[in-house]
Amino acid sequence: DAKTTQPTSMDCAEGRAANLPCNHSTISGNEYVYWYRQIHSQGPQYIIHGLKNNETNEMASLIITEDRKSSTLILPHATLRDTAVYYCIVRVEGNTNAGKSTFGDGTTLTVKP
Amino acid sequence: GAGVSQSPSNKVTEKGKDVELRCDPISGHTALYWYRQSLGQGLEFLIYFQGNSAPDKSGLPSDRFSAERTGGSVSTLTIQRTQQEDSAVYLCASRPSGAPEQFFGPGTRLTVL
Repeated sequence: DAKTTQPTSMDCAEGRAANLPCNHSTISGNEYVYWYRQIHSQGPQYIIHGLKNNETNEMASLIITEDRKSSTLILPHATLRDTAVYYCIVRVEGNTNAGKSTFGDGTTLTVKP
Repeated sequence: GAGVSQSPSNKVTEKGKDVELRCDPISGHTALYWYRQSLGQGLEFLIYFQGNSAPDKSGLPSDRFSAERTGGSVSTLTIQRTQQEDSAVYLCASRPSGAPEQFFGPGTRLTVL
């Protein structure tokens, strides 16, 4: 699975959009981009995933560049409860080893009042 | 419905002792994963079960670590002759067949004195 690079930490003002970048320059054509987050002392929580088209759900939007070498997770109106570590992972969908990827260190997002 | 549960939530043991950590996945989920998370670090893959297939043990750090999954449901991660470096949060996740999303349990915090 391709390696990802994320900033160590980011701050965001409450009510503003949080934009979390992820670089995955070695991504393969059949690898999806996944985002999870981990709130302190809890297990990770799935947010969203995509292949090449932009995706949106009730939690967030995922913007993937045309060359697929990077992506951005957008939380449109960040709240204090969105403070968490956000993990970007790339892996092949449908692979029997899906989920085997090491999550890496992620980005610690701090939403401030 | 009920999510993934893990027990115990906290375990303190002495160096050299054996420990067993339990994971109850969501009913019907065919895939089950174990991860380890050291303080301030990302998730490290340990082992993966998929249906009746042989587990993928490629992430186990040493032969002191083993896991089994009985009846395709409950899983137990066993660490023999624990060492201080085994101290971490051990997370279990399950995933339904054909779905991309992993559901994580709250983890077991293991402290080896």
